[in-house]
Amino acid sequence: DTGVSQDPRHKITKRGQNVTFRCDPISEHNRLYWYRQTLGQGPEFLTYFQNEAQLEKSRLLSDRFSAERPKGSFSTLEIQRTEQGDSAMYLCASSQSPYRGSQETQYFGPGTRLLVL
Amino acid sequence: QQQVKQSPQSLIVQKGGISIINCAYENTAFDYFPWYQQFPGKGPALLIAIRPDVSEKKEGRFTISFNKSAKQFSLHIMDSQPGDSATYFCAASQKAGNNRKLIWGLGTSLAVNP
Repeated sequence: DTGVSQDPRHKITKRGQNVTFRCDPISEHNRLYWYRQTLGQGPEFLTYFQNEAQLEKSRLLSDRFSAERPKGSFSTLEIQRTEQGDSAMYLCASSQSPYRGSQETQYFGPGTRLLVL
Repeated sequence: QQQVKQSPQSLIVQKGGISIINCAYENTAFDYFPWYQQFPGKGPALLIAIRPDVSEKKEGRFTISFNKSAKQFSLHIMDSQPGDSATYFCAASQKAGNNRKLIWGLGTSLAVNP
C-alpha cells in the first residue's frame, strides 16, 4: 500500500504527558498537511509543510504543539503537556504541487485517535 | 464562524434513491471545491471535486452541481447503495501562496437503508 500512513493509530495518555505522532506521506509528494478532527466535526487545519519548510501554522496550534518534517519526508506532530481538550483524531494529508492547469489533491492517512484521560 | 456551511446534518435514504447534500460558502476567493467521503475509523477520501468555471461535474453515480452566483454547491448520489453509508464532507480552498489548506463543512451522516 503506497498511501499515506500514520502511526500510532490509537493513543491513550494521561493529562500532562507528551505524545508524538508520525506521518509518512506518499513518497513523491512534497506537500504535507496536519488537520485535527473532533467528533461530529469536519477536520480543522493545523499546519502545512512544503518539503521541509513549515510555511503556515493555525492559531489552533498552541505553544504545546510542534511539528517537524526533517528532510522533507516523514513528519512528526508532538503535543506537550497534553490536556483533555486535545482528545481528537489527528489527520495527515499529502499532496503534490500541481502542474499548470491541474488541481492539487490532498490524500489523507487513516489518522491517529488521541484520548487524553 | 463557519466559512463552509453544510446541510443536512444527517440523511436517511432508501436503496436506489437519490442522496442530496448541500453546501454554501461566503469567500469568493475559494476556487476549488472537493467532496470527501469518510467511513468510521478511516481518514477522508476524495470523492469528486469541481472548480467554479463549470456548473456540473459527474463521475459515475456522483454529481456535483455548482452555482457560482448563489455561492452554493451540492453533491448528488444517484442510485444510492448501502455501501454509500458514510459521512460526507464538502470543503473549499483558495490559492494562498503555496498553501491549499482545506476549509471543511461539518459533515453529513448518510445512511442508506437496504
